[in-house]
Amino acid sequence: DVKVTQSSRYLVKRTGEKVFLECVQDMDHENMFWYRQDPGLGLRLIYFSYDVKMKEKGDIPEGYSVSREKKERFSLILESASTNQTSMYLCASSYGQSYNQPQHFGDGTRLSIL
Amino acid sequence: SQKIEQNSEALNIQEGKTATLTCNYTNYSPAYLQWYRQDPGRGPVFLLLIRENEKEKRKERLKVTFDTTLKQSLFHITASQPADSATYLCALAANTGKLIFGQGTTLQVKP
Repeated sequence: DVKVTQSSRYLVKRTGEKVFLECVQDMDHENMFWYRQDPGLGLRLIYFSYDVKMKEKGDIPEGYSVSREKKERFSLILESASTNQTSMYLCASSYGQSYNQPQHFGDGTRLSIL
Repeated sequence: SQKIEQNSEALNIQEGKTATLTCNYTNYSPAYLQWYRQDPGRGPVFLLLIRENEKEKRKERLKVTFDTTLKQSLFHITASQPADSATYLCALAANTGKLIFGQGTTLQVKP
């Protein structure tokens, strides 16, 4: 079974801090994704990557950046955390060149910015 | 813009009945549609994928239909059990290649 592991289940940070969320997958998947999930808004794509060192903006990239130095690891960075970035963050991975493959999700990081 | 709509109201049914969840979409003709299950505090788990040329797909007690004329997918769980209680998300492939997720419908199966 594919395993996608997010480094923290719960995280509390302060406004203005630089925050790193880490995600590791163990199935050699090409594609990796970062979403945030908010009540009433569903899952929204922040950034995705289809290869090492490659990244593309999703629907809500503002205030975020990403890093993919190794195939198995995809990091989400909040450059200067703000309270409106309090959310559930979900990482996912999928196989292959096509985006129609099923996505495998981690269990999420619930991030609170105070 | 491309939009997916799922019933935001929770669906409450009795154990043993068939649950039917609806996913409607507009302004797009996706080549395929996916369904996921999400339990509280957990990430979504992939259940089924159906392609535009497939009218119906089954997996054990699950059945998905895809009507490209109505722009609708129906997700059925037959002989529902309390363990089926969860939020179910549909997702379609946008013309950018990304998945667009619906907000999900929460299913509650009462014993």
